[in-house]
Amino acid sequence: DIQLTQSPSFLSASVGDRVTFTCRASQGIGTYLAWYQQKPGKAPKLLIYAASTLQTGVPSRFSGSGSGTEFTLTISSLQPEDFATYYCQQLNNYPFTFGPGTKVDIK
Amino acid sequence: QLQLQESGPGLLKPSETLSLTCTVSGGSITNSRYYWGWIRQSPGKGLEWIGHIYYSGSTYYNPSLHSRVTIFVDTSKNHFSLKLTSLTAADTGVYYCASQYDSTGYSFIFDSWGQGTLVTVSS
Repeated sequence: DIQLTQSPSFLSASVGDRVTFTCRASQGIGTYLAWYQQKPGKAPKLLIYAASTLQTGVPSRFSGSGSGTEFTLTISSLQPEDFATYYCQQLNNYPFTFGPGTKVDIK
Repeated sequence: QLQLQESGPGLLKPSETLSLTCTVSGGSITNSRYYWGWIRQSPGKGLEWIGHIYYSGSTYYNPSLHSRVTIFVDTSKNHFSLKLTSLTAADTGVYYCASQYDSTGYSFIFDSWGQGTLVTVSS
C-alpha cells in the first residue's frame, strides 16, 4: 500500500495567517491526490482533487500544489471556519489510502 | 447534488456481522459515472477506505479486509450495502458511505459523503 505522511501533525495559527501543510507519499503518485477538511462530528469534505483542482464551492483561499511524492495545501488567509483537521488521500493505486491528518487550531 | 445516508445497528458483539446500508438520493445509483464506496474512521487507524461497488455489481475491496467484507447494490432501492463479518473491537469506528465520481483522465473524486454512523464492537 502507498503510505502517506503529513506534517505538521498539529498547527496553531491565527485568523488571517497564511498556512501551509505537507503530504508526502511513499512512492510517486503523479497528481492523484485529494485534500479533505474535517470538523468534529462531521464527514470529511473534499477541498481539492488532482493535487490542485479546487472542488466546486470551495473558497479560493484554498490551493494545492505538488506532484510525485510531495504535495502542499495552502490556506492564504485563515478564517474562523477553517479550524479543522486536514487529510490527504492518494488515488493512484488501490487501495486508496489517507494520511494521518494535520489539525489546525486557534493560537 | 447527491445526498447519502447510512443506516444500521450501532452496537455489536465480537464475532458478529455488521450490516450497513447507504441510501442515495438526488441521483440514480445507476449513473454510469459513479462508483459507491465505504470508508471508516477509527482513532487507531485513521481513515481507511474499505472498498467500492459499481451499479453492475463489480467490486474492489481493500486487501486488508478482503476476506471479511462484501459490498452489494440494490438498484431498485437506490441503495448499496456493506457486510463485515467476524467483528472485533478493532472494527469500532465511524463508517461513512461516499459517492466516487469516475473522472475521465484522472481517478475518482469522492464528492459526496454520508454523515457517518458510529459502530461499536463490544461484549
